[in-house]
Amino acid sequence: SQQGEEDPQALSIQEGENATMNCSYKTSINNLQWYRQNSGRGLVHLILIRSNEREKHSGRLRVTLDTSKKSSSLLITASRAADTASYFCATDAKGGGNKLTFGTGTQLKVEL
Amino acid sequence: DSGVTQTPKHLITATGQRVTLRCSPRSGDLSVYWYQQSLDQGLQFLIQYYNGEERAKGNILERFSAQQFPDLHSELNLSSLELGDSALYFCASSPSGTSAGGEQYFGPGTRLTVT
Repeated sequence: SQQGEEDPQALSIQEGENATMNCSYKTSINNLQWYRQNSGRGLVHLILIRSNEREKHSGRLRVTLDTSKKSSSLLITASRAADTASYFCATDAKGGGNKLTFGTGTQLKVEL
Repeated sequence: DSGVTQTPKHLITATGQRVTLRCSPRSGDLSVYWYQQSLDQGLQFLIQYYNGEERAKGNILERFSAQQFPDLHSELNLSSLELGDSALYFCASSPSGTSAGGEQYFGPGTRLTVT
């Protein structure tokens, strides 16, 4: 079963707006990662945040991590139609080797 | 393009059959991971190999097996197929296989349909 839960399950916004997705997980982690998947295709790595980091930026992406609440959020600023995809958080649990446990995903639709 | 290749792209087969999915990792990556994505179970880790040896096992059925060869490519064998095995199977690779972690590079997947 999946460790992470993501919220919302689906999100529809207008181009130019910001999109925020949240992820909760259950165990102690080495790091948390966010991936994007376009319509049944392969996953693309977006950003990785380590357990000792609280915030990280990459281009229009901002990720926060709160290990005390076991939660993370992904913010996409100034969204574009090309950002339409499913977004997954994935955790690399402490003592779990390097395997990733994925959340349920958020389907983002950015409309023109 | 992640540099990870998977063949075939699509596979349609009947219940009870056996199939082999193939994965070539990025050049230089020693770890290969297999994941299954289905509508009801979501994305699930199956198994990891590091430099030819099994490193971690997840929710992999006994009917499924995998191996990593000396040239680091990997194969996932699925036997006695059932309708519920229909899913997207992804392979991913990474340079290391330790708990230090790091991003994984995913292939385009093999879509398996069992009829």
